[in-house]
Amino acid sequence: GAGVSQSPRYKVAKRGRDVALRCDSISGHVTLYWYRQTLGQGSEVLTYSQSDAQRDKSGRPSGRFSAERPERSVSTLKIQRTEQGDSAVYLCASSYTPSGTNTKEAFFGQGTRLTVV
Amino acid sequence: GNSVTQMEGPVTLSEEAFLTINCTYTATGYPSLFWYVQYPGEGLQLLLKATKADDKGSNKGFEATYRKETTSFHLEKGSVQVSDSAVYFCALTPGGGYNKLIFGAGTRLAVHP
Repeated sequence: GAGVSQSPRYKVAKRGRDVALRCDSISGHVTLYWYRQTLGQGSEVLTYSQSDAQRDKSGRPSGRFSAERPERSVSTLKIQRTEQGDSAVYLCASSYTPSGTNTKEAFFGQGTRLTVV
Repeated sequence: GNSVTQMEGPVTLSEEAFLTINCTYTATGYPSLFWYVQYPGEGLQLLLKATKADDKGSNKGFEATYRKETTSFHLEKGSVQVSDSAVYFCALTPGGGYNKLIFGAGTRLAVHP
């Protein structure tokens, strides 16, 4: 595909349940990020992973949040035992470094809006 | 540490008005600076960037200049349109090979005809 795609777009979960959010990133992009975006508080990085030919490294920011990367361009953010405070928009982004520069450019998905009830 | 602070919104303007959205940063090393825009119902898109001091990023009539002396990267546009209504995020990547993109809280812009 042409861009980063996230699914589902909207998710309602009962408090205490586990959820999984999917991200299909851009082929060839090495670094993949998950961010949590809350209104007025900006975006907080939850995890990032860098996949190379040898191995994948996935960040594990806290016990309830984890990211898996079963394929190089696919990532799943898992949230265990959801809490109401987890209600937010979860953004996935993949990045690459344009040749001739040392700056990474990030491309974002549309986000998944999670509501925990 | 690394952080980005931008002016709180919402910013409400009439069409053709001048826009400034302030952004200041704190960073170790030599960061690259970005403005991202999020239109309603869409994901974040890169609007413009600057990679070193005194660089000016520009796109779609928007401009921002990397000011190292004031640690600022204010976004400006001379004449806004209704279609510019969106949320604007200032961001940085720290220098030294650190990959994380750090965002400000976002500023909502509403432009009325």
